Amino acid sequence: QVRLVESGGGVVQPGRSLRLSCAASGFTFSNYGMHWVRQAPGKGLEWVALMWYDASNNFYTDSVRGRFTISRDNSKNTLYLHMRSLRAEDTAVYYCAREGHSNNGMDVWGQGTTVTVSS
Amino acid sequence: SSELTQDPAVSVALGQTVRITCQGDSLRTFYANWYQQKPGQAPVLVIFRKNNRPSGIPDRFSGSSSGNTASLTITGAQAEDEADYYCNYRDSSVNHYVFGSGTRVTVL
Repeated sequence: QVRLVESGGGVVQPGRSLRLSCAASGFTFSNYGMHWVRQAPGKGLEWVALMWYDASNNFYTDSVRGRFTISRDNSKNTLYLHMRSLRAEDTAVYYCAREGHSNNGMDVWGQGTTVTVSS
Repeated sequence: SSELTQDPAVSVALGQTVRITCQGDSLRTFYANWYQQKPGQAPVLVIFRKNNRPSGIPDRFSGSSSGNTASLTITGAQAEDEADYYCNYRDSSVNHYVFGSGTRVTVL
């Protein structure tokens, strides 16, 4: 079945780096744009980044641009988020999500991985 | 990209109808999608491009839009519909995505 599984979360000190992974299965990964979306404790959803299906373009929310890098390896069916210069306000559950064809919403989500930035 | 405003919470009696609204100037231009999130779970897409349901979503969920307001209606709410609901849209001019603040639906 169609599935996304995130990993790589953990506790990290402010200013340090962390890389999240999202393993996709059950669909042709290289045909879909992929997002990272996060949710701080007790808060709403916040879009973080998007990478097009062929990695030709990527886009970021303002608060992470220059610190986070989204990437993908279509040969491994895996999406990544490399986070640098982490701040306390980056503490959240990070979800990867598939962009449906024709921009039909984020139609498949992973279960999320938790990132805690704390000294 | 403009913000999206949602009421923080609404309640509905079991079997009754509830409408959840989402306001934002950008909704005059861009379609809204809606997501359901139950506690401790990932979000689930329930409506895309204003009024389309993904496969597997019950037909008691419907979407509509007028002016700067998008709406999600649950007709005949069930206990399992108790959740947080988020609207969002894609600003295609800058390829940014915006989520609303979310509405907690309680089924009484």
